[in-house]
Amino acid sequence: GAVVSQHPSRVICKSGTSVKIECRSLDFQATTMFWYRQFPKQSLMLMATSNEGSKATYEQGVEKDKFLINHASLTLSTLTVTSAHPEDSSFYICSASAWAGGWVAYEQYFGPGTRLTVT
Amino acid sequence: EDQVTQSPEALRLQEGESSSLNCSYTVSGLRGLFWYRQDPGKGPEFLFTLYSAGEEKEKERLKATLTKKESFLHITAPKPEDSATYLCAVQDQETSGSRLTFGEGTQLTVNP
Repeated sequence: GAVVSQHPSRVICKSGTSVKIECRSLDFQATTMFWYRQFPKQSLMLMATSNEGSKATYEQGVEKDKFLINHASLTLSTLTVTSAHPEDSSFYICSASAWAGGWVAYEQYFGPGTRLTVT
Repeated sequence: EDQVTQSPEALRLQEGESSSLNCSYTVSGLRGLFWYRQDPGKGPEFLFTLYSAGEEKEKERLKATLTKKESFLHITAPKPEDSATYLCAVQDQETSGSRLTFGEGTQLTVNP
């Protein structure tokens, strides 16, 4: 259980174009989804938090007009990188949050990641 | 502000050589401490959730323990397939929802 998928796994796009990444929770309903960015040999950097049906909350320094997040349902969130530039090239990972039961804690399950290369 | 510090940054072991990874944390109130394993080019894989001091959880060669200030991930008789980056993260009771604060990770290499 608790499987999260991401699509595509790799994408190459030209500078100035937009690219959409999908994140789906396959076997559970996720009240909250998160989008992270990861640079080589570094830990995860939280970009934004999204709750189904409401606007995403962006971390300080993350351009909300550049990284558009839509959380249309309890199982789907999308990240659109608009007018992509080479510096947007990175590894993007989503996660979906599920109630752990028992104690008051939510467990986050991660997707396999999307490698974005902007040429 | 929540803080998570993992040590060592990198660890090389011979197959069968047991060791421990450390995760020190500072939070207002701990809701949960999480361990993940991440292989290169992949998303983190959930391992354990620990909620209160004294709690322990095991999975195959891995055992996670928790005190009020730190958590340890003990690896017993590791195999080369245990090579990965291990990430520790905390969830704060003061933070709404399920936001996690991650450490920088420990890169483990197990040589045959």
